[in-house]
Amino acid sequence: EAGVAQSPRYKIIEKRQSVAFWCNPISGHATLYWYQQILGQGPKLLIQFQNNGVVDDSQLPKDRFSAERLKGVDSTLKIQPAKLEDSAVYLCASSTGAGSGNTIYFGEGSWLTVV
Amino acid sequence: AQSVTQPDIHITVSEGASLELRCNYSYGATPYLFWYVQSPGQGLQLLLKYFSGDTLVQGIKGFEAEFKRSQSSFNLRKPSVHWSDAAEYFCAVVSGYSTLTFGKGTMLLVSP
Repeated sequence: EAGVAQSPRYKIIEKRQSVAFWCNPISGHATLYWYQQILGQGPKLLIQFQNNGVVDDSQLPKDRFSAERLKGVDSTLKIQPAKLEDSAVYLCASSTGAGSGNTIYFGEGSWLTVV
Repeated sequence: AQSVTQPDIHITVSEGASLELRCNYSYGATPYLFWYVQSPGQGLQLLLKYFSGDTLVQGIKGFEAEFKRSQSSFNLRKPSVHWSDAAEYFCAVVSGYSTLTFGKGTMLLVSP
């Protein structure tokens, strides 16, 4: 079974530029998550989708971050304009459903450096 | 609000020695608890999970964890550490609408 796919794996941009990350979840997984992991910290949830609807985006900095999951499969996370503090790993994850008993599977992450 | 504390930022263990990584959680209801491992440059891999039932859960790669409600703990153990176990380990609790809340992680170093 293919895992969660993410691209690009690595990206370096200058501050105030924009960047987009793509995620393809495990086939059949209805729930998709984007997490931000800053160096030395645990991952923090940015946004959670159930199919193509947003379940939780309370920690998403909406003035610069946006995410969409058209057709309830792939998802894109965009940052515009980027700040130095956005340097982090952006992890996409998916699960079969949104219940607490569902295991969440993570991709390898997209590493962003803002200079 | 739910939270997870991993009190040890770094731990160094000799190869072949036993390992215990500590995790304490704060959550009002019965928690769903997880341990994930992250190797350098990689994503998070699930080691094991606790939902209910037997408080001692077995995971992959020879790891186990014990849920102790009285101590609000979910410590990860391995009887004999291998050099390939060097990585960062994250404890997490599910809350809300299946949201994972992670601790800050413990970096495991394995000495020869």
